[in-house]
Amino acid sequence: QQPVQSPQAVILREGEDAVINCSSSKALYSVHWYRQKHGEAPVFLMILLKGGEQKGHEKISASFNEKKQQSSLYLTASQLSYSGTYFCGTLPQGGSEKLVFGKGTKLTVNP
Amino acid sequence: EAEVAQSPRYKITEKSQAVAFWCDPISGHATLYWYRQILGQGPELLVQFQDESVVDDSQLPKDRFSAERLKGVDSTLKIQPAELGDSAMYLCASSFTGAVGGTQYFGPGTRLLVL
Repeated sequence: QQPVQSPQAVILREGEDAVINCSSSKALYSVHWYRQKHGEAPVFLMILLKGGEQKGHEKISASFNEKKQQSSLYLTASQLSYSGTYFCGTLPQGGSEKLVFGKGTKLTVNP
Repeated sequence: EAEVAQSPRYKITEKSQAVAFWCDPISGHATLYWYRQILGQGPELLVQFQDESVVDDSQLPKDRFSAERLKGVDSTLKIQPAELGDSAMYLCASSFTGAVGGTQYFGPGTRLLVL
C-alpha cells in the first residue's frame, strides 16, 4: 500500500515556500521523509510518529495528521540547495516493519 | 560522520551474466536493508537483515536474486542471471535497530545497467 504524494513536481523561485503532502489509506505508526538529489542516495530529513507532532529541520518542518493519515512537509524560504526529489516512507500500525516509499515529489528551486 | 559504503558505484553487464553488489553498513547497525529503485520511483525493499538473519525477503525474486550477511556485518546482493528489467539503482541502508520507527541511512547506491 504505497503512500500517495502530491504534487508530483513543483517549481519555485528562491525564497518561496512549498508544501508536499503524503497520504496513506492505512493507519500509520510513522512517516519518514527523505530528500534525494540526482544520482545520489536519499538523505534522511525527519521521522514523525503518530501523535500529530510537528518537527523541524533547518527551514524544513513537517506535521502528521493522525486522523487523516497524512503528513505534510513544509519548505520555508526555499534555497537552491533544496532542489531534489522528496520521498515519504510510511510504516503502518500493526507490526509491519517494512518502510513503503511514495513515488516522490520533484522540487526545483530556481534563482 | 559514519556512512554506509557500497561498491561498485556503477556496473554495466550483459543479460544472463552474474553481478554482485557489496554493502558495509554503519558500524554498530544491526539492521541492513537492500532496496531497488527504478528511475522515477521510490525505493522498494528487496530484503531486510537483522544481524545475519533475514527478516523480510518477500519482494526478492528468489529465482535469480540472493542476499547474504554471513557475519552480521557487511552484505552481498547477487543477481544471476541478470535480465534487462534489472537495470536500476540498488541501494543499501542500515539502522541501529529494526524496531518500528528506526532511522534508515542510505549508501550511495550501485547503478546497474543490463544490456
